[in-house]
Amino acid sequence: AQSVSQHNHHVILSEAASLELGCNYSYGGTVNLFWYVQYPGQHLQLLLKYFSGDPLVKGIKGFEAEFIKSKFSFNLRKPSVQWSDTAEYFCAVKAAGNKLTFGGGTRVLVKP
Amino acid sequence: GAGVSQSPSNKVTEKGKDVELRCDPISGHTALYWYRQSLGQGLEFLIYFQGNSAPDKSGLPSDRFSAERTGGSVSTLTIQRTQQEDSAVYLCASSPGTSGARSTDTQYFGPGTRLTVL
Repeated sequence: AQSVSQHNHHVILSEAASLELGCNYSYGGTVNLFWYVQYPGQHLQLLLKYFSGDPLVKGIKGFEAEFIKSKFSFNLRKPSVQWSDTAEYFCAVKAAGNKLTFGGGTRVLVKP
Repeated sequence: GAGVSQSPSNKVTEKGKDVELRCDPISGHTALYWYRQSLGQGLEFLIYFQGNSAPDKSGLPSDRFSAERTGGSVSTLTIQRTQQEDSAVYLCASSPGTSGARSTDTQYFGPGTRLTVL
């Protein structure tokens, strides 16, 4: 069965700092990859997704992620964070079938 | 348009009682999913419905859990004889639904139902 690992459980940074969240998965076949975000008090929202093609994917709010197949990774990046990026971020993988397997989440706190 | 809606938003129940959680998917979405978000286990898949096909129940943690989807739209997740470890946020998601194992569907999540079992 596939699994997803997010290396950082908590990240604290200041506004304008760069953000990179790691995500690795274990599955040898074709995968679809997602990053979801959960802002305080809100429901899960899709940030970006990768199905095929260009491994560098751009999402909403200035986020991007790079799929590196050889490393089984799909890291999320943002060059300059804002206080409003404070949230919990979840990496998810869809392999065989249609269910999503989620990582444990990373709580990001951006200090103003 | 309207997103996925779930009711109730919060449910407090006593151990041993049955509960029903409701999900209204996005109109026109044929696929519907239930997940559970708990402190110890993170986000876990429970069950998946696609059109008229038999549901994928592989994530249901015990036979106390069941779900149905009536008329291909609204779904109800039922937990019988609730236990304290059932306390969690139960999330519903829907997607447009495409056939085949390599679906390019994107799942859209509802706000969840927070279940507390005393």
